[in-house]
Amino acid sequence: NAGVTQTPKFRVLKTGQSMTLLCAQDMNHEYMYWYRQDPGMGLRLIHYSVGEGTTAKGEVPDGYNVSRLKKQNFLLGLESAAPSQTSVYFCASSYGWRGEQYFGPGTRLTVT
Amino acid sequence: SQQGEEDPQALSIQEGENATMNCSYKTSINNLQWYRQNSGRGLVHLILIRSNEREKHSGRLRVTLDTSKKSSSLLITASRAADTASYFCATGDSGNTPLVFGKGTRLSVIA
Repeated sequence: NAGVTQTPKFRVLKTGQSMTLLCAQDMNHEYMYWYRQDPGMGLRLIHYSVGEGTTAKGEVPDGYNVSRLKKQNFLLGLESAAPSQTSVYFCASSYGWRGEQYFGPGTRLTVT
Repeated sequence: SQQGEEDPQALSIQEGENATMNCSYKTSINNLQWYRQNSGRGLVHLILIRSNEREKHSGRLRVTLDTSKKSSSLLITASRAADTASYFCATGDSGNTPLVFGKGTRLSVIA
């Protein structure tokens, strides 16, 4: 049981490049989330999903897109990366809407 | 936003001492959760307390909730160097708003 895994662990992008972050969970959770964590800002929700085929905007969705084609995967895309998107990105999943969340190890993204 | 705010922002104590962190929030909640984050790692869930509960224990952790004051506290007793981490509270309301995390308290336990 791997829990929540994220790919890649580190990435450096140039401004304007695109990339996709992959999150996978093997706990059969309905709910999945993407957060970004910046120094002094805590965790901010980017997008979330309440089930396969659904997505919704969180607190800071601009510049990101997501897809949940399979229940176990939640993809976060950056179409045109900007330096302001330099951050650590965490994926999480939960069984219930208000239940405990299980977090992945994070992806450290630098945009130059 | 009903974002929880932790206090203090940073706390440094000696091994063996107790550590207390507080979380205040703004609107009614369904539950409040505490998470720990070790440096460079993902968050780990510690404890969940529901709005109709006043106190919960888990090992050396004790969480209290005062809904009249809209606040919660996390007490770590007999702290160890391994407790050095950031601690976050997260609040879940009764509606459709996702869990909202605070900015965290950085705890340093000095051996």
